[in-house]
Amino acid sequence: GEDVEQSLFLSVREGDSSVINCTYTDSSSTYLYWYKQEPGAGLQLLTYIFSNMDMKQDQRLTVLLNKKDKHLSLRIADTQTGDSAIYFCAETHSNSGYALNFGKGTSLLVTP
Amino acid sequence: EAQVTQNPRYLITVTGKKLTVTCSQNMNHEYMSWYRQDPGLGLRQIYYSMNVEVTDKGDVPEGYKVSRKEKRNFPLILESPSPNQTSLYFCASRTGAGGYTFGSGTRLTVV
Repeated sequence: GEDVEQSLFLSVREGDSSVINCTYTDSSSTYLYWYKQEPGAGLQLLTYIFSNMDMKQDQRLTVLLNKKDKHLSLRIADTQTGDSAIYFCAETHSNSGYALNFGKGTSLLVTP
Repeated sequence: EAQVTQNPRYLITVTGKKLTVTCSQNMNHEYMSWYRQDPGLGLRQIYYSMNVEVTDKGDVPEGYKVSRKEKRNFPLILESPSPNQTSLYFCASRTGAGGYTFGSGTRLTVV
């Protein structure tokens, strides 16, 4: 399938903002998602954005989409130790039956 | 509560012994899917189902079977498990455009 790329690790201090980046190659992507996985747990949908949107904000989370550059980012404001987890970027499009195509995940470590 | 339920959560089995991982959703979703998660490889789709009696291969279907006889259930069958199928498995159902709901995962070890 098409590629979804993420950096593997990110470390931030508590209270700072975190920015997790993702790039994708499929120009027909319809929806783009951010999922969170805590240790030993399943995947929790954090937020998603439709491909005709540039930005979506939901409390501490801000998603930015640059469709021209195929770049998606997730900003977490006032990062807390409870935000430490793996964050997955994923894309889907109608001509793949809306299958989720995941990046390999970014491990976010929040230090006190 | 809307959810996807997988069973078992943990399973250790021996090579060649047939097993089934069950998945059930209570949201009346048409689309269901199975993924496996492996270190360094992320999540990869095994099989998916668009509706009852409609199933199709994902990216890594070899060694797996599925069935979709009822809308709520989508079991994953390993007819002859091998050690390379040791993995963390997730079932998911699609909530329309808003994304997928995932089960809690099944950690399978094949020895």
